[in-house]
Amino acid sequence: ETGVTQSPTHLIKTRGQQVTLRCSSQSGHNTVSWYQQALGQGPQFIFQYYREEENGRGNFPPRFSGLQFPNYSSELNVNALELDDSALYLCASSPGTYNEQFFGPGTRLTVL
Amino acid sequence: AQSVTQLGSHVSVSEGALVLLRCNYSSSVPPYLFWYVQYPNQGLQLLLKYTSAATLVKGINGFEAEFKKSETSFHLTKPSAHMSDAAEYFCAVSERAGGTSYGKLTFGQGTILTVHP
Repeated sequence: ETGVTQSPTHLIKTRGQQVTLRCSSQSGHNTVSWYQQALGQGPQFIFQYYREEENGRGNFPPRFSGLQFPNYSSELNVNALELDDSALYLCASSPGTYNEQFFGPGTRLTVL
Repeated sequence: AQSVTQLGSHVSVSEGALVLLRCNYSSSVPPYLFWYVQYPNQGLQLLLKYTSAATLVKGINGFEAEFKKSETSFHLTKPSAHMSDAAEYFCAVSERAGGTSYGKLTFGQGTILTVHP
Protein backbone atom coordinates (compact mmCIF):
# COMPACT_ATOMS: atom_id res chain seq x y z
CA GLU A 1 0.00 0.00 0.00
CA THR A 2 1.49 3.34 -1.07
CA GLY A 3 1.50 6.04 1.56
CA VAL A 4 1.05 9.76 1.14
CA THR A 5 3.50 11.28 -1.31
CA GLN A 6 4.31 14.94 -1.94
CA SER A 7 6.18 16.78 -4.65
CA PRO A 8 8.48 18.50 -4.97
CA THR A 9 10.68 17.76 -1.97
CA HIS A 10 12.28 21.19 -1.94
CA LEU A 11 11.45 24.42 -3.69
CA ILE A 12 13.04 27.87 -3.78
CA LYS A 13 11.00 30.86 -4.92
CA THR A 14 11.28 34.63 -4.73
CA ARG A 15 8.84 37.07 -3.19
CA GLY A 16 5.78 37.74 -5.31
CA GLN A 17 5.97 34.48 -7.22
CA GLN A 18 3.35 31.75 -7.21
CA VAL A 19 3.87 28.11 -6.23
CA THR A 20 1.95 24.85 -6.57
CA LEU A 21 2.57 21.92 -4.26
CA ARG A 22 1.18 18.46 -4.94
CA CYS A 23 -0.02 15.60 -2.79
CA SER A 24 -1.12 12.07 -3.61
CA SER A 25 -3.33 10.62 -0.93
CA GLN A 26 -3.14 7.10 0.41
CA SER A 27 -5.25 4.52 -1.41
CA GLY A 28 -8.85 4.55 -0.17
CA HIS A 29 -8.58 7.98 1.44
CA ASN A 30 -11.05 10.67 0.31
CA THR A 31 -9.93 13.49 2.58
CA VAL A 32 -6.80 15.61 2.31
CA SER A 33 -5.65 18.23 4.81
CA TRP A 34 -2.80 20.70 4.37
CA TYR A 35 -0.64 22.09 7.16
CA GLN A 36 2.11 24.70 7.31
CA GLN A 37 4.98 24.07 9.70
CA ALA A 38 7.25 27.04 10.23
CA LEU A 39 10.71 26.42 11.64
CA GLY A 40 10.53 25.50 15.32
CA GLN A 41 6.73 25.45 15.37
CA GLY A 42 3.98 22.89 15.34
CA PRO A 43 1.99 22.39 12.12
CA GLN A 44 -0.84 24.87 11.50
CA PHE A 45 -4.00 23.79 9.68
CA ILE A 46 -4.47 25.50 6.31
CA PHE A 47 -7.52 23.73 4.89
CA GLN A 48 -9.15 20.38 4.27
CA TYR A 49 -10.68 18.89 1.13
CA TYR A 50 -13.32 16.19 1.23
CA ARG A 51 -14.57 14.64 -1.98
CA GLU A 52 -13.26 17.56 -4.07
CA GLU A 53 -14.84 20.30 -1.94
CA GLU A 54 -13.14 22.56 0.62
CA ASN A 55 -14.42 21.30 3.94
CA GLY A 56 -12.82 23.72 6.38
CA ARG A 57 -10.19 26.42 6.49
CA GLY A 58 -7.73 27.71 9.06
CA ASN A 59 -6.56 31.25 9.60
CA PHE A 60 -4.78 31.69 6.25
CA PRO A 61 -5.39 34.43 3.66
CA PRO A 62 -7.17 33.77 0.35
CA ARG A 63 -3.87 33.67 -1.53
CA PHE A 64 -3.63 30.15 -0.14
CA SER A 65 -5.94 28.03 -2.26
CA GLY A 66 -6.33 24.40 -3.15
CA LEU A 67 -7.90 21.77 -5.28
CA GLN A 68 -8.78 18.14 -4.91
CA PHE A 69 -9.12 15.93 -7.94
CA PRO A 70 -11.44 12.97 -8.63
CA ASN A 71 -8.66 10.57 -7.65
CA TYR A 72 -8.45 12.50 -4.33
CA SER A 73 -4.98 13.86 -4.98
CA SER A 74 -4.63 17.51 -4.11
CA GLU A 75 -2.79 20.73 -4.86
CA LEU A 76 -1.92 23.67 -2.65
CA ASN A 77 -1.41 26.97 -4.46
CA VAL A 78 0.13 30.03 -2.89
CA ASN A 79 0.07 33.35 -4.76
CA ALA A 80 2.13 36.47 -4.11
CA LEU A 81 4.67 34.64 -1.98
CA GLU A 82 5.97 36.39 1.12
CA LEU A 83 9.12 35.66 3.11
CA ASP A 84 7.01 34.31 5.98
CA ASP A 85 5.62 31.62 3.68
CA SER A 86 8.94 29.81 4.02
CA ALA A 87 8.03 26.59 5.80
CA LEU A 88 7.53 22.85 5.54
CA TYR A 89 4.16 22.15 3.93
CA LEU A 90 2.61 18.89 5.04
CA CYS A 91 -0.20 17.01 3.39
CA ALA A 92 -2.22 14.43 5.29
CA SER A 93 -4.84 12.04 4.00
CA SER A 94 -7.54 10.17 5.87
CA PRO A 95 -10.44 7.86 5.06
CA GLY A 96 -12.91 10.46 6.31
CA THR A 97 -13.00 13.93 7.77
CA TYR A 98 -12.79 12.83 11.41
CA ASN A 99 -10.44 9.91 11.02
CA GLU A 100 -6.77 9.47 11.76
CA GLN A 101 -4.55 11.47 9.41
CA PHE A 102 -1.53 10.03 7.66
CA PHE A 103 1.17 12.50 6.75
CA GLY A 104 3.44 12.78 3.77
CA PRO A 105 7.12 13.73 4.01
CA GLY A 106 6.40 17.38 3.25
CA THR A 107 7.63 20.01 0.80
CA ARG A 108 10.22 22.47 2.07
CA LEU A 109 9.49 25.90 0.55
CA THR A 110 12.05 28.66 0.81
CA VAL A 111 11.05 32.17 -0.23
CA LEU A 112 13.93 34.58 -0.90
CA ALA B 1 -11.96 26.12 20.13
CA GLN B 2 -9.14 23.68 20.60
CA SER B 3 -5.65 24.24 21.91
CA VAL B 4 -2.68 22.17 23.01
CA THR B 5 0.11 23.09 25.39
CA GLN B 6 3.28 21.06 25.55
CA LEU B 7 5.27 21.81 28.67
CA GLY B 8 8.97 21.93 27.92
CA SER B 9 10.29 22.65 24.45
CA HIS B 10 13.35 20.52 25.17
CA VAL B 11 13.65 17.38 27.28
CA SER B 12 16.94 15.57 27.83
CA VAL B 13 17.26 12.07 29.28
CA SER B 14 19.91 9.41 29.58
CA GLU B 15 19.63 6.19 27.64
CA GLY B 16 17.58 3.75 29.70
CA ALA B 17 15.86 6.48 31.70
CA LEU B 18 12.14 7.21 31.82
CA VAL B 19 10.77 9.49 29.12
CA LEU B 20 7.92 11.84 30.11
CA LEU B 21 6.60 14.40 27.64
CA ARG B 22 3.75 16.56 28.87
CA CYS B 23 0.64 17.61 26.99
CA ASN B 24 -2.41 19.51 28.17
CA TYR B 25 -5.34 20.27 25.92
CA SER B 26 -8.52 22.28 25.81
CA SER B 27 -11.52 21.36 23.74
CA SER B 28 -15.14 22.41 23.79
CA VAL B 29 -16.23 18.86 22.94
CA PRO B 30 -14.84 15.43 23.84
CA PRO B 31 -11.59 15.15 21.93
CA TYR B 32 -9.53 12.74 19.99
CA LEU B 33 -5.88 13.00 21.07
CA PHE B 34 -2.74 12.03 19.22
CA TRP B 35 1.01 11.92 19.64
CA TYR B 36 3.15 12.23 16.52
CA VAL B 37 6.94 11.96 16.15
CA GLN B 38 8.99 13.86 13.60
CA TYR B 39 12.56 12.97 12.71
CA PRO B 40 14.76 15.62 11.06
CA ASN B 41 13.64 16.58 7.58
CA GLN B 42 10.75 14.14 7.64
CA GLY B 43 6.97 14.22 7.97
CA LEU B 44 4.94 13.18 10.99
CA GLN B 45 4.52 9.59 12.12
CA LEU B 46 1.67 8.61 14.40
CA LEU B 47 2.83 7.12 17.70
CA LEU B 48 -0.55 6.58 19.30
CA LYS B 49 -4.09 7.90 19.53
CA TYR B 50 -6.91 8.18 22.04
CA THR B 51 -10.40 7.84 20.61
CA SER B 52 -12.49 7.19 23.75
CA ALA B 53 -11.77 3.53 24.33
CA ALA B 54 -9.23 2.68 27.06
CA THR B 55 -7.74 5.71 28.77
CA LEU B 56 -4.28 4.12 28.74
CA VAL B 57 -3.17 3.93 25.14
CA LYS B 58 -0.22 1.91 23.91
CA GLY B 59 1.58 2.91 20.77
CA ILE B 60 4.56 1.98 18.69
CA ASN B 61 8.17 1.77 19.86
CA GLY B 62 7.18 1.17 23.50
CA PHE B 63 5.42 4.51 24.02
CA GLU B 64 2.17 4.91 25.88
CA ALA B 65 -0.05 7.77 27.02
CA GLU B 66 -2.83 8.17 29.55
CA PHE B 67 -5.90 10.29 28.97
CA LYS B 68 -6.89 12.10 32.18
CA LYS B 69 -10.08 14.06 31.65
CA SER B 70 -10.00 15.71 35.09
CA GLU B 71 -6.52 17.08 34.37
CA THR B 72 -7.12 17.65 30.63
CA SER B 73 -3.83 15.90 30.07
CA PHE B 74 -2.42 13.31 27.69
CA HIS B 75 1.21 12.82 28.74
CA LEU B 76 3.49 10.54 26.72
CA THR B 77 5.77 8.07 28.50
CA LYS B 78 8.32 5.39 27.74
CA PRO B 79 9.92 3.37 30.53
CA SER B 80 13.38 3.19 29.01
CA ALA B 81 14.74 5.65 26.47
CA HIS B 82 16.72 4.50 23.46
CA MET B 83 19.08 6.59 21.36
CA SER B 84 16.74 6.14 18.40
CA ASP B 85 13.97 7.96 20.32
CA ALA B 86 15.74 11.28 19.80
CA ALA B 87 13.31 13.35 17.71
CA GLU B 88 10.64 16.03 18.03
CA TYR B 89 7.29 15.00 19.47
CA PHE B 90 3.97 16.71 18.86
CA CYS B 91 0.73 16.35 20.75
CA ALA B 92 -2.43 17.07 18.76
CA VAL B 93 -6.16 17.31 19.40
CA SER B 94 -9.14 17.03 17.10
CA GLU B 95 -12.87 17.08 17.59
CA ARG B 96 -14.99 14.00 17.27
CA ALA B 97 -17.46 13.62 14.46
CA GLY B 98 -20.26 16.13 14.74
CA GLY B 99 -18.01 18.94 15.85
CA THR B 100 -17.43 22.05 13.81
CA SER B 101 -13.71 21.85 13.21
CA TYR B 102 -13.86 19.44 10.26
CA GLY B 103 -11.63 17.01 12.12
CA LYS B 104 -8.65 19.31 11.75
CA LEU B 105 -5.68 18.62 13.98
CA THR B 106 -4.50 21.34 16.35
CA PHE B 107 -0.88 20.78 17.34
CA GLY B 108 1.24 21.82 20.25
CA GLN B 109 4.55 23.59 19.75
CA GLY B 110 6.52 20.37 19.99
CA THR B 111 9.07 18.92 22.41
CA ILE B 112 12.55 18.02 21.26
CA LEU B 113 13.76 14.87 23.00
CA THR B 114 17.51 14.39 23.36
CA VAL B 115 18.86 11.04 24.57
CA HIS B 116 22.37 10.94 26.04
CA PRO B 117 24.49 7.77 26.09
